[in-house]
Amino acid sequence: NAGVTQTPKFQVLKTGQSMTLQCAQDMNHEYMSWYRQDPGMGLRLIHYSVGAGITDQGEVPNGYNVSRSTTEDFPLRLLSAAPSQTSVYFCASKGRDTSPSGNTIYFGEGSWLTVV
Amino acid sequence: DAKTTQPPSMDCAEGRAANLPCNHSTISGNEYVYWYRQIHSQGPQYIIHGLKNNETNEMASLIITEDRKSSTLILPHATLRDTAVYYCIVRVFSGGTSYGKLTFGQGTILTVHP
Repeated sequence: NAGVTQTPKFQVLKTGQSMTLQCAQDMNHEYMSWYRQDPGMGLRLIHYSVGAGITDQGEVPNGYNVSRSTTEDFPLRLLSAAPSQTSVYFCASKGRDTSPSGNTIYFGEGSWLTVV
Repeated sequence: DAKTTQPPSMDCAEGRAANLPCNHSTISGNEYVYWYRQIHSQGPQYIIHGLKNNETNEMASLIITEDRKSSTLILPHATLRDTAVYYCIVRVFSGGTSYGKLTFGQGTILTVHP
């Protein structure tokens, strides 16, 4: 049981390049989400999903795309990277509220992205 | 989800109780109060949650006022390892297949000093 796995851990991109941050969980969780965290700030929700095939926007969705073709995976795509997207990205998953671990959000270890 | 207001920072001496306040004056009847913390460079960690009654677990206690407009997280004997950002979140508890997005505010930076 690996929990929430994010790759890559570190990435440097040039402005205008595209890339995908991968996120996978092995806990059969329905809810998955992506956050970004900038220095000295709290986490801001980018996109989230309440199940395979269902996604919705969070607070700061512009410049990012997501899809949820399976329960396990929730990749985050940067379409055309900009310096403003330099940040730490956290993927998270959560089971149903009524499940034994339903009150706990499981976070990945983070992906540090720099756009130059 | 209701918005929350927390002080930006607090200090606490090691071994003393740390009391972290949270204001959620617009909370509605079906919304729970959750607390998470984030230790430097790690993903946030669940601490405790409650609806209207006070709650206690191995990590902390949660005191919710009778009108539910504010709450206090209590770390009874703070240690240096409790230095972290603490987030208070208010959200609907759902037994169904869908639940609202989880929104983190700015949080409170708690510094525990020797």
